[in-house]
Amino acid sequence: NAGVTQTPKFQVLKTGQSMTLQCAQDMNHNSMYWYRQDPGMGLRLIYYSASEGTTDKGEVPNGYNVSRLNKREFSLRLESAAPSQTSVYFCASKGGWGAGELFFGEGSRLTVL
Amino acid sequence: GQQVMQIPQYQHVQEGEDFTTYCNSSTTLSNIQWYKQRPGGHPVFLIQLVKSGEVKKQKRLTFQFGEAKKNSSLHITATQTTDVGTYFCAGPPGTASKLTFGTGTRLQVTL
Repeated sequence: NAGVTQTPKFQVLKTGQSMTLQCAQDMNHNSMYWYRQDPGMGLRLIYYSASEGTTDKGEVPNGYNVSRLNKREFSLRLESAAPSQTSVYFCASKGGWGAGELFFGEGSRLTVL
Repeated sequence: GQQVMQIPQYQHVQEGEDFTTYCNSSTTLSNIQWYKQRPGGHPVFLIQLVKSGEVKKQKRLTFQFGEAKKNSSLHITATQTTDVGTYFCAGPPGTASKLTFGTGTRLQVTL
């Protein structure tokens, strides 16, 4: 049971470099999310996709882009990384419509130098 | 925008003591969820509360949703070292597809 799989688990970038965080879920869930977690700040929503073909901004979308490639995959792209984007990134998914449990991936730790 | 605050930010207890974390939202919530994150791990769903005044129990854990649906609490009776981690509440501000997480309460339990 893979659940939600994120790659890579660790990445070090230099300021200005670009990269894409990949996320895939095998639970046939409609909704997918990208959160970032910083010490003392909890989890902040970057972007989410309520269903295949739709994406919406969360609390902290600046500096990021997303693609809902298909029902399974939701990627997060940093076009020009900045040190302020050093964080742990979590992808999550939710089945059904409306309220419900979020299933999280194991996280991707990104450091921008 | 919606803000969800939790207090305390950190609590250190001895094993066997009780623990409570409180969650307060700036807006009314349609439901509230609780998650636990072990050190170095990812958040794991614990429970969801939907009704005003609802109380649910899971073994030593008691969850409560306020009458006004703007606050919630998690109480752990007789903590154990396995309870160590950060506890987050989360609620949708409007559309149920989007969850805003609280700031979290980190619990440390020592023998």
